[in-house]
Amino acid sequence: QKEVEQNSGPLSVPEGAIASLNCTYSDRGSQSFFWYRQYSGKSPELIMFIYSNGDKEDGRFTAQLNKASQYVSLLIRDSQPSDSATYLCAVQRGRGSTLGRLYFGRGTQLTVWP
Amino acid sequence: ETGVTQTPRHLVMGMTNKKSLKCEQHLGHNAMYWYKQSAKKPLELMFVYNFKEQTENNSVPSRFSPECPNSSHLFLHLHTLQPEDSALYLCASSQERQSSPLHFGNGTRLTVT
Repeated sequence: QKEVEQNSGPLSVPEGAIASLNCTYSDRGSQSFFWYRQYSGKSPELIMFIYSNGDKEDGRFTAQLNKASQYVSLLIRDSQPSDSATYLCAVQRGRGSTLGRLYFGRGTQLTVWP
Repeated sequence: ETGVTQTPRHLVMGMTNKKSLKCEQHLGHNAMYWYKQSAKKPLELMFVYNFKEQTENNSVPSRFSPECPNSSHLFLHLHTLQPEDSALYLCASSQERQSSPLHFGNGTRLTVT
């Protein structure tokens, strides 16, 4: 079983719609969860992170975490064409010798069409 | 200069060449990482350095040799690479603590001919 799984997409939504990106993880001891955005040919950039069950909102972005279901999601409200990118889910285990080590999913490619 | 900077941005090398990738972070972080990103595959962690000490080596072939002279600088020395090593190589840094995100450099696009 893969550490972190995401639907590879592509996910296509119209401008102004809500885009929903999903991620599941295998290690029940995982503590922190990150969403990165990666434009084609660029490096990943952090959008937000979450470590408590529930929702966390930052502007048009909402991260949702359910540790019992080992599920984390990212909602993008009022999607814009500039949101078109690959979204990477990353998980931090919270134990072991390297706290900062993140496990990444393959990423979900999002296209927002005007 | 702020953030994480990597040089060169692009590199083309033959299988018999020796080259080095350089990374520098200006964020005061104590951990640095090398990741490899190939098409259609998740980011692969290659090496981790924490306070200049290598704490993780994920079964990376010996043709990749990391060096971390201090907590701000990280190198990846390359020699006798294979065409399948062509990929985007990303350097990152973070604080070695819970909920600390990685900050990535712009990456080096490596092509091995």
